[in-house]
Amino acid sequence: EAQVVESGGGLVQPGRSLRLSCTGSGFTFGDYTMNWFRQAPGKGLEWVGFVRTRLHGGTTEYAASVKGRFTVSRDYTKSIAYLQMNSLRTEDTAVYYCAGAIVGTIVSFDYWGQGTLVTVSS
Amino acid sequence: QTVVTQEPSLTVSPGGTVTLTCGSSTGAVTSGTFPNWFQQKPGQAPRPLIHSTSNRYSWTPARFSGSLLGGKAALTLSGVQPEDEAEYYCLLYYGGPHWVFGGGTKLTVL
Repeated sequence: EAQVVESGGGLVQPGRSLRLSCTGSGFTFGDYTMNWFRQAPGKGLEWVGFVRTRLHGGTTEYAASVKGRFTVSRDYTKSIAYLQMNSLRTEDTAVYYCAGAIVGTIVSFDYWGQGTLVTVSS
Repeated sequence: QTVVTQEPSLTVSPGGTVTLTCGSSTGAVTSGTFPNWFQQKPGQAPRPLIHSTSNRYSWTPARFSGSLLGGKAALTLSGVQPEDEAEYYCLLYYGGPHWVFGGGTKLTVL
């Protein structure tokens, strides 16, 4: 079964760092733009950032709320996408989801994970 | 700051038809914003329903359809089932580039 699975969530103090992983399996990982989204408790969904495929330059883009603090990267050999989160704030508390998307004349989020909870609290 | 607007809540009777809309503060929604729709039930991850305005995923029931309507993206549910009660989110793509979600529509089947 093709899927993505997030891991690495947990409790972290404000100002500290945490790295999330998103492991893909059952599909050609290199063909997919890897996205991160989040959902704070009781709130709506928010896009966090993405890393493009090699074909599209492998570059990254971020939401204004995390730019300069969060970094998305990917390891093609391991089929893993990462979300490095630095200088964490209490407002970063959320369930973090990753999703693999085909990007071209269409954009389809073919693979969406179950999420990992990040709690930022002292 | 780009704002994407959805109806906060809608109610529909079983077997009925309902249309959810998704508007943009920048003007008319077009196919170039690649409208995506997601369904989320309590305690579950979002599930993609429609991509690129009107394309269903393999797992999306045929009663769900997407379109552009009056300058907005629209999600129509025809023959609503009790299990369609959920929160529905639209997602639009903007140059910048960035993605923006709507605030969600809570659909009640009553």
